Amino acid sequence: DQQVKQNSPSLSVQEGRISILNCDYTNSMFDYFLWYKKYPAEGPTFLISISSIKDKNEDGRFTVFLNKSAKHLSLHIVPSQPGDSAVYFCAASFQGAQKLVFGQGTRLTINP
Amino acid sequence: GAVVSQHPSWVICKSGTSVKIECRSLDFQATTMFWYRQFPKQSLMLMATSNEGSKATYEQGVEKDKFLINHASLTLSTLTVTSAHPEDSSFYICSAPLAGVEYEQYFGPGTRLTVT
Repeated sequence: DQQVKQNSPSLSVQEGRISILNCDYTNSMFDYFLWYKKYPAEGPTFLISISSIKDKNEDGRFTVFLNKSAKHLSLHIVPSQPGDSAVYFCAASFQGAQKLVFGQGTRLTINP
Repeated sequence: GAVVSQHPSWVICKSGTSVKIECRSLDFQATTMFWYRQFPKQSLMLMATSNEGSKATYEQGVEKDKFLINHASLTLSTLTVTSAHPEDSSFYICSAPLAGVEYEQYFGPGTRLTVT
């Protein structure tokens, strides 16, 4: 039972354009969502998060949008840079649970 | 930011032997740590929650007698893969939440285990 799903295993974007990564979830009890970036053979690094009481959170080039009715969130990166090439995981959590449920990841490639 | 280290970064062992992986929070104390494993091109799957001073909590389907977890101090958790088999070959990652910062976790760099 995959509670957090990233249906696009890969995405290729031209440098300078917008990258949009999508994530869907099935459990309405999730109340906090996070995006992590991961390079091969390294642990994930935290990018940005959003609480379920919000629908948007922005941090520099990264913006996360949450649509609770659709149980969908997305990460926008603009402008995309070559260093953004990595695997991006969305994750979800319950209040007080601490543990995270991860999606399958999307490999983002930024082409020069 | 908070730093979590893992040791070793990679290890090769023979089938039937045991391997210990350490996870340390370097600049903060962690009463709870999490252990994940990741197969190639797949998601991070939570294996267990490590609790300082008490027994670990294992996720469904994870053999607690095979994956021994010890959290003896506020900065160290260990995962021992006992009687390792080739199917245990994977990337093991630990994480720790920062006290007072709910939800966010800091991940170690991971340990690549190869069982031959």
